[in-house]
Amino acid sequence: DAKTTQPPSMDCAEGRAANLPCNHSTISGNEYVYWYRQIHSQGPQYIIHGLKNNETNEMASLIITEDRKSSTLILPHATLRDTAVYYCISRALNSGGSNYKLTFGKGTLLTVNP
Amino acid sequence: EPEVTQTPSHQVTQMGQEVILRCVPISNHLYFYWYRQILGQKVEFLVSFYNNEISEKSEIFDDQFSVERPDGSNFTLKIRSTKLEDSAMYFCASSVERSTDTQYFGPGTRLTVL
Repeated sequence: DAKTTQPPSMDCAEGRAANLPCNHSTISGNEYVYWYRQIHSQGPQYIIHGLKNNETNEMASLIITEDRKSSTLILPHATLRDTAVYYCISRALNSGGSNYKLTFGKGTLLTVNP
Repeated sequence: EPEVTQTPSHQVTQMGQEVILRCVPISNHLYFYWYRQILGQKVEFLVSFYNNEISEKSEIFDDQFSVERPDGSNFTLKIRSTKLEDSAMYFCASSVERSTDTQYFGPGTRLTVL
């Protein structure tokens, strides 16, 4: 799986959009980009994932650049409860092979301030 | 919304003792995983399990570890002879499919080895 790079920390004001960047310049064509978050040692929580197209769900939007070398997770209206470590993970599409694991990095600690 | 559950939430044990951590995956999921997170460190993959067999395991998952699906609902991680360095949060996850399907995590069990 491709290595991802994220800033170690970011701040955001409550009510504003939080834009969390992720670089994955070595991503291959069959690798998805997944985003999870972890709130204070709780279990990682799935947020969103995508391959090529931008994606949106009730939690967030995922913007993937056309060359797929980077992406941005957008929390449109951050709240204090969104304070967490956010992980950007690339994961290969497999058909019959192994390697189903998620490889977590250090992620970005997003602090939402009142 | 279906959730992965784990018991106990906190387990304290003496070094050398056996522990069994329990997980109830989401009911229609077929793939099961264990991860661990030592305090202050990354979330690390331990093992994946499908059709009553280990699909993949990491270097961490040595002979002291074993997994089992003893019935139709539970998925367990056993550590035969615990060491101090086994102290960590242990997370269970499950997914419907394997390749690109989202893994959903439980809240974790905090294992403390004294």
